[in-house]
Amino acid sequence: QLQLQESGPGLVKPSETLSLTCTVSGGSISSSSYYWGWIRQPPGKGLEWIGSIYYSGSTYYNPSLKSRVTISVDTSKNQFSLKLSSVTAADTAVYYCARHGIYYYDSSLSDAFDIWGQGTMVTVSS
Amino acid sequence: SSELTQDPAVSVALGQTVRITCQGDSLRSYYASWYQQKPGQAPVLVIYGKNNRPSGIPDRFSGSSSGNTASLTITGAQAEDEADYYCNSRDSSGNHSVVFGGGTKLTVL
Repeated sequence: QLQLQESGPGLVKPSETLSLTCTVSGGSISSSSYYWGWIRQPPGKGLEWIGSIYYSGSTYYNPSLKSRVTISVDTSKNQFSLKLSSVTAADTAVYYCARHGIYYYDSSLSDAFDIWGQGTMVTVSS
Repeated sequence: SSELTQDPAVSVALGQTVRITCQGDSLRSYYASWYQQKPGQAPVLVIYGKNNRPSGIPDRFSGSSSGNTASLTITGAQAEDEADYYCNSRDSSGNHSVVFGGGTKLTVL
């Protein structure tokens, strides 16, 4: 079945760029039915959507992070990646990648993250 | 951007029914999805859209919506349902953003 796995450094220095990759296995990232998203969770806190990407490269970002976030996709490797620049301690969190489905109903829709990676802890510290 | 508000904590007696709510203006236009998260684990989708359950989710989980409030109902709560529950929806600002609620800690007594 479809699986997602995050990878990248667990420690990043303040002001540097956090870089993570999500590898999709058991299915194609080029599926026309799904976006692929990044969500984070600071220790002891709730979930925060960072952004999502379509296999074509179309992206949507959280407005509060947009100036620092870049999400890209490499369909040849079945991977998508996150870069978050100018990090501070506030960016310390577990970072999850997830498959992002958009389901349409009459005049409405639902965004649902139905398959998640296990998450990777990233600490911002000197 | 929109906000989704959840009660921080809710409790339910074993075998009883509990409703967890999520409030926000975006819910007047979009359906919520619901996630269960146990300590140290990734979230699991339990309800999406118009009361749809992914494969493997017990039918004691159901979803509903009215006005600006979405609800997740667990009918006959089990000990294993003790977890944090999060809602999310599309942001109503029109910029294709997604927003999560702050989460509800469910305790099964």
